[in-house]
Amino acid sequence: GESVGLHLPTLSVQEGDNSIINCAYSNSASDYFIWYKQESGKGPQFIIDIRSNMDKRQGQRVTVLLNKTVKHLSLQIAATQPGDSAVYFCADISGGGADGLTFGKGTHLIIQP
Amino acid sequence: NAGVTQTPKFRVLKTGQSMTLLCAQDMNHEYMYWYRQDPGMGLRLIHYSVGEGTTAKGEVPDGYNVSRLKKQNFLLGLESAAPSQTSVYFCASRWQGEAFFGQGTRLTVV
Repeated sequence: GESVGLHLPTLSVQEGDNSIINCAYSNSASDYFIWYKQESGKGPQFIIDIRSNMDKRQGQRVTVLLNKTVKHLSLQIAATQPGDSAVYFCADISGGGADGLTFGKGTHLIIQP
Repeated sequence: NAGVTQTPKFRVLKTGQSMTLLCAQDMNHEYMYWYRQDPGMGLRLIHYSVGEGTTAKGEVPDGYNVSRLKKQNFLLGLESAAPSQTSVYFCASRWQGEAFFGQGTRLTVV
């Protein structure tokens, strides 16, 4: 079965607010996690990644938090913009990375003006 | 700076026909993957390869075959297409970091 999953299929936020997208995983051996953004009609694009020896990683307007105790991953987007509207997927890799990336079902982020 | 290129971008097949989807990457990545994406199902792994000459089954391999004769190419074959294989197919490649995806192939089987 699937080792990662997202809590909500849809998340609606006001433009300018912060967005938090959550993901739970079940494989304790997962040691590398990635967030992807997929805009309509396009392939997934890398946003940010984090390895299991870290709790937090920041990028430009995005932060990923990893809680290994409860096997939870979150993506925070600061000051959400219309261009952030997309489906967001978390993915994990375990065991050295030779296996395929396993994706959750995705959260559709909707930005309200 | 092509990255991952998939051909074709669109295709309509009749039930029972066969076809091959081509994925090419120019990043010298060892790992390559084929996913299918259906509404509400996210991305599901069909087959993957950890190097030239190797292939392995993913989550939903039935009805598909793959080959990795050259490091830069990963082919996905449908021997006898079925309507259940109507989907958007994505290829990806990676080495030690994140996976890079192609733009997808929209396949319709009628």
